Amino acid sequence: GQNIDQPTEMTATEGAIVQINCTYQTSGFNGLFWYQQHAGEAPTFLSYNVLDGLEEKGRFSSFLSRSKGYSYLLLKELQMKDSASYLCAVFQAGTALIFGKGTTLSVSS
Amino acid sequence: DAEITQSPRHKITETGRQVTLACHQTWNHNNMFWYRQDLGHGLRLIHYSYGVQDTNKGEVSDGYSVSRSNTEDLPLTLESAASSQTSVYFCASAPDRAQETQYFGPGTRLLVL
Repeated sequence: GQNIDQPTEMTATEGAIVQINCTYQTSGFNGLFWYQQHAGEAPTFLSYNVLDGLEEKGRFSSFLSRSKGYSYLLLKELQMKDSASYLCAVFQAGTALIFGKGTTLSVSS
Repeated sequence: DAEITQSPRHKITETGRQVTLACHQTWNHNNMFWYRQDLGHGLRLIHYSYGVQDTNKGEVSDGYSVSRSNTEDLPLTLESAASSQTSVYFCASAPDRAQETQYFGPGTRLLVL
């Protein structure tokens, strides 16, 4: 089985830094993905980690610790357009992506 | 440009009717997936396919079926629609099983009355 947990909601202000945590328990771990989903739209890919450590991509970074079953997505220099849901997903070997319930981030000015 | 499309984008149907949602991708990806998204549940996997003639059940497959007769299409059929199947349905595709990004279609909003 699998279990993926992330906070339901978070709030932050423009220009700030926010960290969205994700913990997981799965069998046959084969990578962790972060997706962004704006209201009424399809999810879009943000980042992928398969090895421990930090992956940086512009204002967004993602971290993975496989031994702890833990990942976080770090968003820097927040902008209003970053208001969206952020989905943590684990690729379970032999199956497909399994998603957490998502974290809704609200950015205010 | 290659893309993934879903049709219809919106559908209203009645309980007990058979409904088919279309998914078509032009990337020539082997892997295709169907998810449903509901408030409080996030994205849940319904069915997936790793290639032509291959189909597999996801965590919420009851009441749904898929068939894969070519690389481009993975239609999702609701055999006898139920109100519990009111949801937003997303199709996705990916070129390989692991370590590859899934690309999502725009979604189909289905209302079962």
